[in-house]
Amino acid sequence: DVKVTQSSRYLVKRTGEKVFLECVQDMDHENMFWYRQDPGLGLRLIYFSYDVKMKEKGDIPEGYSVSREKKERFSLILESASTNQTSMYLCASNRRGSSYNSPLHFGNGTRLTVT
Amino acid sequence: AQSVTQPDIHITVSEGASLELRCNYSYGATPYLFWYVQSPGQGLQLLLKYFSGDTLVQGIKGFEAEFKRSQSSFNLRKPSVHWSDAAEYFCAVGPLYNTDKLIFGTGTRLQVFP
Repeated sequence: DVKVTQSSRYLVKRTGEKVFLECVQDMDHENMFWYRQDPGLGLRLIYFSYDVKMKEKGDIPEGYSVSREKKERFSLILESASTNQTSMYLCASNRRGSSYNSPLHFGNGTRLTVT
Repeated sequence: AQSVTQPDIHITVSEGASLELRCNYSYGATPYLFWYVQSPGQGLQLLLKYFSGDTLVQGIKGFEAEFKRSQSSFNLRKPSVHWSDAAEYFCAVGPLYNTDKLIFGTGTRLQVFP
């Protein structure tokens, strides 16, 4: 069974800190995604990566960057955390070119609070 | 523009009652359609999916959904809700612009009373 693991369940950071959210998948999926989940707004795509070192901006990339040095790992970076980045962050993965036969598999999320 | 609308933010039902969660979409071609469920403290889990064929699709946990092209809808149903069905439900459509990206609706939170 596909496992997507997010390294932290809860994080509390201070404004201005650099924050790393880590995600690892164990099914050799080409695609990896970072979503942000906020009440009433659903899931919004921050960035996605379709291969190692390849990335594409999603709908809300401002204030975020990503890193994909290895196929199994996709990191979300908040260069200078702000209070409006307090949210639930969800990582997901699937096979490239196969979004129907390989639906998204999600991690359990990281709840980030920026104070 | 491609979009997904879930008109109901919050639904409350009694255990044993039937359930229908609404999803409407806007998409230029025949879409892939998905329903995901998020239990408290968890990530999203796929309930069911549709692309073609029989317009009534069965999923896990006793859920089903019906695709109605004329109404651009893909509503999720369950004949008898259990307390463990309390969760948030997301409808999604895709793929977008020759990518593997999906658009998610804003979700419907289901509360179940005993």
